[in-house]
Amino acid sequence: KAGVTQTPRYLIKTRGQQVTLSCSPISGHRSVSWYQQTPGQGLQFLFEYFSETQRNKGNFPGRFSGRQFSNSRSEMNVSTLELGDSALYLCASSLTEGPYEQYFGPGTRLTVT
Amino acid sequence: GIQVEQSPPDLILQEGANSTLRCNFSDSVNNLQWFHQNPWGQLINLFYIPSGTKQNGRLSATTVATERYSLLYISSSQTTDSGVYFCAVDGRETSGSRLTFGEGTQLTVNP
Repeated sequence: KAGVTQTPRYLIKTRGQQVTLSCSPISGHRSVSWYQQTPGQGLQFLFEYFSETQRNKGNFPGRFSGRQFSNSRSEMNVSTLELGDSALYLCASSLTEGPYEQYFGPGTRLTVT
Repeated sequence: GIQVEQSPPDLILQEGANSTLRCNFSDSVNNLQWFHQNPWGQLINLFYIPSGTKQNGRLSATTVATERYSLLYISSSQTTDSGVYFCAVDGRETSGSRLTFGEGTQLTVNP
């Protein structure tokens, strides 16, 4: 069974631009979560989607948004990029909503210059 | 929110040695997972262990939920075990799923 896939793997953007990252969950998994990893803040929860609805949201500004499609694929968008948004963005999928085991993708490394 | 503390922050071993990594959490949890982050950044699942004991080869884990801690044991360590180990929990006060990660233990295994 294929794992969680994320595209693109690497991205370089300029301050003020916006970016969209994509995540395809494991086949049959319906819940997708997003996390940001930085050297200073560690791994932090961004949001969780299930059945095309945001179920949980972390403590991030409104510039960070996401959505989930009917096939469970998810995208996250960051608008008006700041230097501090440079990070590894990780997507995780689980079978359904709730405290089930989460499986992570390889991540998208975003650099903002 | 729930707090997660991992110890030690850094650990250096010689190949063949055994080690124990600890994860303390501040509240009841629905989910606890151990991960190994590879050099490319991907989190590799080691254990899903909200309670009890599990073993997988040279690795084993124990979670004592009533005392709010989990231990990851690595026996006969190999250089390929090097990397960062994370403990992550999902607190019972949250609906849905929302992992809170510890700061990790950086393990270096020297040949």
